[in-house]
Amino acid sequence: AQKVTQAQTEISVVEKEDVTLDCVYETRDTTYYLFWYKQPPSGELVFLIRRNSFDEQNEISGRYSWNFQKSTSSFNFTITASQVVDSAVYFCALRLDSNYQLIWGAGTKLIIKP
Amino acid sequence: NAGVTQTPKFQVLKTGQSMTLQCAQDMNHNSMYWYRQDPGMGLRLIYYSASEGTTDKGEVPNGYNVSRLNKREFSLRLESAAPSQTSVYFCASSEEFIGARRTEAFFGQGTRLTVV
Repeated sequence: AQKVTQAQTEISVVEKEDVTLDCVYETRDTTYYLFWYKQPPSGELVFLIRRNSFDEQNEISGRYSWNFQKSTSSFNFTITASQVVDSAVYFCALRLDSNYQLIWGAGTKLIIKP
Repeated sequence: NAGVTQTPKFQVLKTGQSMTLQCAQDMNHNSMYWYRQDPGMGLRLIYYSASEGTTDKGEVPNGYNVSRLNKREFSLRLESAAPSQTSVYFCASSEEFIGARRTEAFFGQGTRLTVV
């Protein structure tokens, strides 16, 4: 069975600190896709990144970086020099190549204090 | 670029009433989806449409019906609303379906539905 676990329910840091959000996934499929979405207090869901299972290259986009490790089935998300605007709920999700369905983690609520 | 547009943004229904949530996308995506999000949970798939003219049940289809009107539009209907259907509903679309490499879904703003 497929599963996504975001063990951190809530994280609170002071602005400018670095913070890492953990995501661990389970699947026996060899081809799959991993995603991170951001849900700010306004409620919309914003796509951040897609990672294909056959591409283990890590990615950096400004203050955001993602560390994909198949050996530990993890796809962690790091925000450096956090800002108040980063406050949101962040979801990790998994999709199999053989299926239409996105499997979602429960989300991590990130609070950045000024 | 509007992306995915949902209407209405808010709705209050009485138990037993019916309503249709509208969704349209302007990204020429083939696949469209309806999700619901309940407090403290991730999203759950209600129905999806892999391509124009097809629809299939997702994880929680009971109490809902859908119509893929054309490539752009995908509506969700509640025939007889129940309090258990109080939720935030999201419509989403993605470029392709199974086998695609660009599989990310883009979401609408959501509809907050309360059934009393």
